[in-house]
Amino acid sequence: AQSVTQPDARVTVSEGASLQLRCKYSYSGTPYLFWYVQYPRQGLQLLLKYYSGDPVVQGVNGFEAEFIKSNSSFHLRKASVHWSDSAVYFCAVRGGSNNRIFFGDGTQLVVKP
Amino acid sequence: DPKIIQKPKYLVAVTGSEKILICEQYLGHNAMYWYRQSAKKPLEFMFSYSYQKLMDNQTASSRFQPQSSKKNHLDLQITALKPDDSATYFCASSQNPDSSQNTLYFGAGTRLSVL
Repeated sequence: AQSVTQPDARVTVSEGASLQLRCKYSYSGTPYLFWYVQYPRQGLQLLLKYYSGDPVVQGVNGFEAEFIKSNSSFHLRKASVHWSDSAVYFCAVRGGSNNRIFFGDGTQLVVKP
Repeated sequence: DPKIIQKPKYLVAVTGSEKILICEQYLGHNAMYWYRQSAKKPLEFMFSYSYQKLMDNQTASSRFQPQSSKKNHLDLQITALKPDDSATYFCASSQNPDSSQNTLYFGAGTRLSVL
């Protein structure tokens, strides 16, 4: 069965610092991987997605993620965070007979000024 | 303009009552979903519909019943409400339910509080 693990419930970084949010997935087939962001009192918005090809995918607002099959990971990165990046970030994997999408528990990102 | 409209944004209900959460999408998508987000389980899949037919159901309780009157509508009826039902309910849609590559698009959610 598919599952997603985001080991960090909360990450705090200073504005301008680099960022990595960790995500590990479990899926026996070809995973389709996503990162979503949720701002306070809003729905989830897609940041980026990976299906195949170049394992480093670019998303909106300077975010990128790297698919490492050998490690079953899909970590999210950003070179320099801004205070407006404070939000909850969800990693997700889609697959299986019903194409259901499974979300991780989310990582709360706090950017300090 | 929001393309997935959920109504109401906030809802307060008493235990034992019944409520309907409304969802309409104007993306022309063929699949619609309901997810629940609470403190206990951050984002939990509930149902998926494709072309107005139930495709997948993860919700154990029959108190939760999706209703699809039109292709772009998927309402969620909840009966005999309990305080544990308090959560934010998100509606989502995707273009083609048969493709793993499809992206989910989410509404802003309905925050339900059951007293």
